[in-house]
Amino acid sequence: DTEVTQTPKHLVMGMTNKKSLKCEQHMGHRAMYWYKQKAKKPPELMFVYSYEKLSINESVPSRFSPECPNSSLLNLHLHALQPEDSALYLCASSTSVGLGEETQYFGPGTRLLVL
Amino acid sequence: QKEVEQNSGPLSVPEGAIASLNCTYSDRVSQSFFWYRQYSGKSPELIMSIYSNGDKEDGRFTAQLNKASQYVSLLIRDSQPSDSATYLCAVNRGGSYIPTFGRGTSLIVHP
Repeated sequence: DTEVTQTPKHLVMGMTNKKSLKCEQHMGHRAMYWYKQKAKKPPELMFVYSYEKLSINESVPSRFSPECPNSSLLNLHLHALQPEDSALYLCASSTSVGLGEETQYFGPGTRLLVL
Repeated sequence: QKEVEQNSGPLSVPEGAIASLNCTYSDRVSQSFFWYRQYSGKSPELIMSIYSNGDKEDGRFTAQLNKASQYVSLLIRDSQPSDSATYLCAVNRGGSYIPTFGRGTSLIVHP
């Protein structure tokens, strides 16, 4: 089973709203990721949790904040977003860490529209 | 200099033909290589992984890796219109769990 689940599938929010995206995997993977993808662009890494330790892409604005309650769950909290934050948000998890054969599996994504 | 390069396309092939997608990378310590297929509006789906030089076949898909020349390719035999998608190449350097993605190649298979 290589399933990563994400909720919600679609989200429309105003610039003053606070919302959260959720991601879950039950494959025992110890690395989980958030990506942002705009149309016709590759996924852009936002955050990585590996063994509950966070690594951040320094270009990600503070209106995005990740949370890893446990090794199977990953949340992305959204606050005061801008219209340019509208995108497909992808969660992924990967197999072994640092052993050379890490394989990423992506969830179905959350399509976010900021009005 | 981009670390992982792909021709953005579109690459257009007739149904039944072989589609050849190429990817080059700059980091010589790269160790693992992946091809993802992404339909418009959907998430990337892993279709092939390859770790050692040579060919790896899975159904209609063959991945080819040449570490000396720093390229990895994906061949799709008997292309079908349902293969029309963007194909992303991803590369991991040894000891890393954060892959680098190419910009993707758009493939169009026309009947």
